[in-house]
Amino acid sequence: DTEVTQTPKHLVMGMTNKKSLKCEQHMGHRAMYWYKQKAKKPPELMFVYSYEKLSINESVPSRFSPECPNSSLLNLHLHALQPEDSALYLCASSLQPGDTQYFGPGTRLTVL
Amino acid sequence: AQSVTQLGSHVSVSEGALVLLRCNYSSSVPPYLFWYVQYPNQGLQLLLKYTTGATLVKGINGFEAEFKKSETSFHLTKPSAHMSDAAEYFCAVSGIAGGTSYGKLTFGQGTILTVHP
Repeated sequence: DTEVTQTPKHLVMGMTNKKSLKCEQHMGHRAMYWYKQKAKKPPELMFVYSYEKLSINESVPSRFSPECPNSSLLNLHLHALQPEDSALYLCASSLQPGDTQYFGPGTRLTVL
Repeated sequence: AQSVTQLGSHVSVSEGALVLLRCNYSSSVPPYLFWYVQYPNQGLQLLLKYTTGATLVKGINGFEAEFKKSETSFHLTKPSAHMSDAAEYFCAVSGIAGGTSYGKLTFGQGTILTVHP
């Protein structure tokens, strides 16, 4: 298995909802990443997990809560989001922190 | 701090023509360099990367890039464009081990490539 999978592909939520994004890889990678990509912009790093521990938080608002239950799985819990949080959320993984990152297809999030 | 500049937000070429997408980086030490491609509503796919060694790097789909330290550049080229090459291309840098930017991938603003028949 040489890919990163993300579910769901699309998500529409209200500002009072709680939802989660899921990312999975079975390549034995020990670093996993969350990025946010607004339309016509490059991806922006949100979080980095290294060996299931949060190693980088790029000053992301607390309404985004990452979780890494095991080495293959990465979640992003969403609560009380704002319409400006609507974006494509990309997950990536690498063998070790700093190695080449491989991206999933993303989750298109719309906040109403 | 590391940064990436991609010259030209849009590049248009004819099918069969040379593709040249420009990327310049700023870093206190030579970083690791990457080119990714993104098709509409999809994730990013790695085209090629430079870490150490040979400065001319070959990637997938006939693309290649040359690392020029003296010019702090990592331009992407393809001798003959194909319609399927139409996409957005991102140059990115990652800090090397021991540096403050280790593990952080910083992207350029992207270049949209259009290929005309």
